[in-house]
Formats: sequence, C-alpha cells, structure tokens
Amino acid sequence: DSGVTQTPKHLITATGQRVTLRCSPRSGDLSVYWYQQSLDQGLQFLIQYYNGEERAKGNILERFSAQQFPDLHSELNLSSLELGDSALYFCASSPRQRTDTEAFFGQGTRLTVV
Amino acid sequence: KNQVEQSPQSLIILEGKNCTLQCNYTVSPFSNLRWYKQDTGRGPVSLTIMTFSENTKSNGRYTATLDADTKQSSLHITASQLSDSASYICVVSVPSGGSYIPTFGRGTSLIVHP
Repeated sequence: DSGVTQTPKHLITATGQRVTLRCSPRSGDLSVYWYQQSLDQGLQFLIQYYNGEERAKGNILERFSAQQFPDLHSELNLSSLELGDSALYFCASSPRQRTDTEAFFGQGTRLTVV
Repeated sequence: KNQVEQSPQSLIILEGKNCTLQCNYTVSPFSNLRWYKQDTGRGPVSLTIMTFSENTKSNGRYTATLDADTKQSSLHITASQLSDSASYICVVSVPSGGSYIPTFGRGTSLIVHP
C-alpha cells in the first residue's frame, strides 16, 4: 500500500457527462500528480500541483481540470466525456516540488465512458 | 515516433532465468531516467532512478544501466521469480518551462513461468 488513496475505484458514465476523481496524498506529501493510462497511449502525465499551486502541465485536455485543496487532497474534473477518455487515471504524490522526483502511485480509478 | 521506445514489447521466461529489458530514448537533455514496475491493475512502483551522469543503479535483483552516448538504458533482472511478472516502464524526464515533464515508454510485459 503506497498510502495514496484514490476514489472511486471504478466509474462508468455516459458520453457528454462530467465526473470528478479524488486523490488523497500520503501524509506529509505536498505534491500531487495526475496521469492517464490508456491501452493505445500508455501512461501520460497530465498535471502536477504543489502545495495548492499548479506546478507543471503535461498533455491535459482543455476539458480536464484539476485542483489541490488546502488539506492537500486533489480532484481531477473530466467534462464533456468522450469514448476515448476511457482509461485508468492515476494519482501520485511526493514530498518534493520537482516533477521528476520519485512519486508514489495510488491504485487508480478506472473510468469507462459508454 | 515515440521519444521513449521499449523492447521487447513482451517477454516470457522461466523462473530462475535472467532477462534484460531495453529502453531507447531520443530526448535530450534530460534530468533523470526511471524504471517502474507495474503489476496488473495496480499503480507503478519505482525501481530505480538514474541521472544522466550515472551508469548503473541496483535495487536487489534489479540492475539498471544507462549509456548517455547511445541514449540507451537497460533493466536486468537476475534469478527471476513468479512475482516479477508485470509491466516494466521506462520514464525519461525532459526539461520544459522550468519543470521536468515525464515521458513514458509503452512498457515491456514480462511473464515468468514456473
């Protein structure tokens, strides 16, 4: 167990809908990272927050947004969902500000868009 | 063309045998190269992290090497165990806009048979 908690574990929703994925980092970690893993694209870095502020942005679509709250938990919001958004979404955390540091991954949220 | 290419795509070996996984990258410069192990349905777990100036890094039965001249890295697994069955992912962190964006390979799927 990495200590990173993601909810829900599974999510099934229809095209055009909006969902929110939640992540609680390890105790004491200030950085939260979001990743998408799909069968055709592999793992992709989406975005990083450090102590409430956006730190780095990767291949995140405009339909997606994220935030980190004062208690350091983070949410990833996915809107106007398309079939291609079906994927595993991972959250990771680390105590450091750097994006390239070792991070500890949660179990992921499997999103299925039908 | 993906900036991080891994080979082979999949590999089947017998328990107790050694194996070597390859990672070729085109990105330069980079801050570090990491190898992750990902069990089916779980988040990736870090195995090794190497900066561009390091040639080798070990973690138990896992040994990673890095040749910055040829832009190649390898992960050698010694005396394989059934629990080594997983996907192994190579990640190169590329400087971008004051941060370092991780670029992932597609992974090598390793199956260890008894």
